[in-house]
Amino acid sequence: DSGVTQTPKHLITATGQRVTLRCSPRSGDLSVYWYQQSLDQGLQFLIQYYNGEERAKGNILERFSAQQFPDLHSELNLSSLELGDSALYFCASSVEGLNTEAFFGQGTRLTVV
Amino acid sequence: GIQVEQSPPDLILQEGANSTLRCNFSDSVNNLQWFHQNPWGQLINLFYIPSGTKQNGRLSATTVATERYSLLYISSSQTTDSGVYFCAVLPNYGANNLFFGTGTRLTVIP
Repeated sequence: DSGVTQTPKHLITATGQRVTLRCSPRSGDLSVYWYQQSLDQGLQFLIQYYNGEERAKGNILERFSAQQFPDLHSELNLSSLELGDSALYFCASSVEGLNTEAFFGQGTRLTVV
Repeated sequence: GIQVEQSPPDLILQEGANSTLRCNFSDSVNNLQWFHQNPWGQLINLFYIPSGTKQNGRLSATTVATERYSLLYISSSQTTDSGVYFCAVLPNYGANNLFFGTGTRLTVIP
């Protein structure tokens, strides 16, 4: 158990819908990262938050947004879902930046039908 | 951006065999991690190893940062070792995310 908790584990939804993925980082970790793993793109970085503030953005679509709350949990919001958004979404956390070890949650498997 | 290449892409082993997985990267890095993605999709931390050598049971890893590569050794492989092994690096040019290689898919047959 990495200590990073993601919910839900599985999600099936229809095209055009909106979903929210939730992540609780390890106790004491201030940084949260979101990654997307699809079959054709591998593991892609989406966005990073540090202590409630956005720190870095990767290949995150405009239809996607995220936030980190005062209790340090984070949510990734995916809207106007398309079939191509089907993927495994991971949250990771680290104490500070990535000069320290990052730990990944078990992922949320999103299927858009 | 930094290029991370892993080899071999696929590996099939008989249970009990040893193997070496390689990760090459194109720029200097501040962090390198090895992960095992099991058949259920979980990413499990194996090593945090920006340089040097570490061992954990049947697994060990070596990173030679000056030559831009890392090796993961698996000895006496077991069927539970099956899955995909990823290395991920943090470039030292100011990036804030880990760049993942394309992985090595390991299948251990009994």
